[in-house]
Amino acid sequence: NAGVTQTPKFQVLKTGQSMTLQCAQDMNHEYMSWYRQDPGMGLRLIHYSVGAGITDQGEVPNGYNVSRSTTEDFPLRLLSAAPSQTSVYFCASSLGTLRGYTFGSGTRLTVV
Amino acid sequence: AQSVTQLDSQVPVFEEAPVELRCNYSSSVSVYLFWYVQYPNQGLQLLLKYLSGSTLVKGINGFEAEFNKSQTSFHLRKPSVHISDTAEYFCAVSARYPDKLIFGTGTRLQVFP
Repeated sequence: NAGVTQTPKFQVLKTGQSMTLQCAQDMNHEYMSWYRQDPGMGLRLIHYSVGAGITDQGEVPNGYNVSRSTTEDFPLRLLSAAPSQTSVYFCASSLGTLRGYTFGSGTRLTVV
Repeated sequence: AQSVTQLDSQVPVFEEAPVELRCNYSSSVSVYLFWYVQYPNQGLQLLLKYLSGSTLVKGINGFEAEFNKSQTSFHLRKPSVHISDTAEYFCAVSARYPDKLIFGTGTRLQVFP
């Protein structure tokens, strides 16, 4: 099993560009979430999904869009990148929050 | 809304010494509590969780945590740490609804020989 796969691992964007961070899981998990990790701020929830077709906002959703058309995939879209979005992004999936989440290895994004 | 506060951003400790990483939570409803660990340049792994029942929960790698409802705390402990325990540790909270996981700011545990 591949677990949770995030692509790309590294990305540099110019301010104003858009891009999609990919996340795929092969464990048939219903729950998927996106977090960003910044020094001194821990992990902050951006968006989450409890099943295909269902998404909701987390703590810091502004500037990001998500959709969940399949159980396996949960892409995160940056509409117009800003330097404040420079961060490490983690995707995670679970059978349910109480079961514990499996995390991907992260995407390091720099916006210049 | 639920939130967690990790009281120490860094905890230095010598190998084989005991360690406690502190976590306090805030919620108006019953919560579920978790500790995750992040080794350098990796994603997070679940260490242990409290859902209900016994307030002392044991996790992987010899860690344990105690849920204290009156003090709204969920401190993580290990009686004797190893160099390999050097990592960042995150406390997290969830409620039955909404079923989303909220993390604290993390505690960096540095174990010295």
